[in-house]
Amino acid sequence: GENVEQHPSTLSVQEGDSAVIKCTYSDSASNYFPWYKQELGKRPQLIIDIRSNVGEKKDQRIAVTLNKTAKHFSLHITETQPEDSAVYFCAVHLGGTGFQKLVFGTGTRLLVSP
Amino acid sequence: DTEVTQTPKHLVMGMTNKKSLKCEQHMGHRAMYWYKQKAKKPPELMFVYSYEKLSINESVPSRFSPECPNSSLLNLHLHALQPEDSALYLCASSQEASGSGGELFFGEGSRLTVL
Repeated sequence: GENVEQHPSTLSVQEGDSAVIKCTYSDSASNYFPWYKQELGKRPQLIIDIRSNVGEKKDQRIAVTLNKTAKHFSLHITETQPEDSAVYFCAVHLGGTGFQKLVFGTGTRLLVSP
Repeated sequence: DTEVTQTPKHLVMGMTNKKSLKCEQHMGHRAMYWYKQKAKKPPELMFVYSYEKLSINESVPSRFSPECPNSSLLNLHLHALQPEDSALYLCASSQEASGSGGELFFGEGSRLTVL
């Protein structure tokens, strides 16, 4: 089955710094790569996603890059703010299944200190 | 309405009890999901319903029984659970359960404790 590795498991930054979280996957048929943010006690919420035919996507302070050859994708957050503190999960959609089947990474706890 | 609503928010049950978790969405989504999330772990897929039919069962024990009465409702019936089943149970929906992937809208979850 698909194996999704996510690093680092925890990340502490100062407000205003950049944060980068990386995920690697194993199934070359994977075709959709979302990132979810889960604040403490809250639901996971999609913050950005990218499809396999695109190399980079940006939405204000958040960007995702995808390297299909190397099978990795990364979340970049610039000018971090305390409200960015949360657990971030990458996910990989298994292509060819005919159904929406996401495999989540192990999560990164981001702490942004004022 | 862009919300997925889950009830109850908290549930404590004994190993011999029968209880149900409920999930509702009114976004017209045709795919609904049950995920299980243990503390400090990622969500794990349990079941996928597409157009009210069970499409994926991730080898979930039979003590968990899903039901999709209509396109807006999803239930998870619980019976004879074990303490290790204690977790946050998340319901989610998406426009379709397509092979190309798309945004999942999660509910706030039902936190289950099995004594």
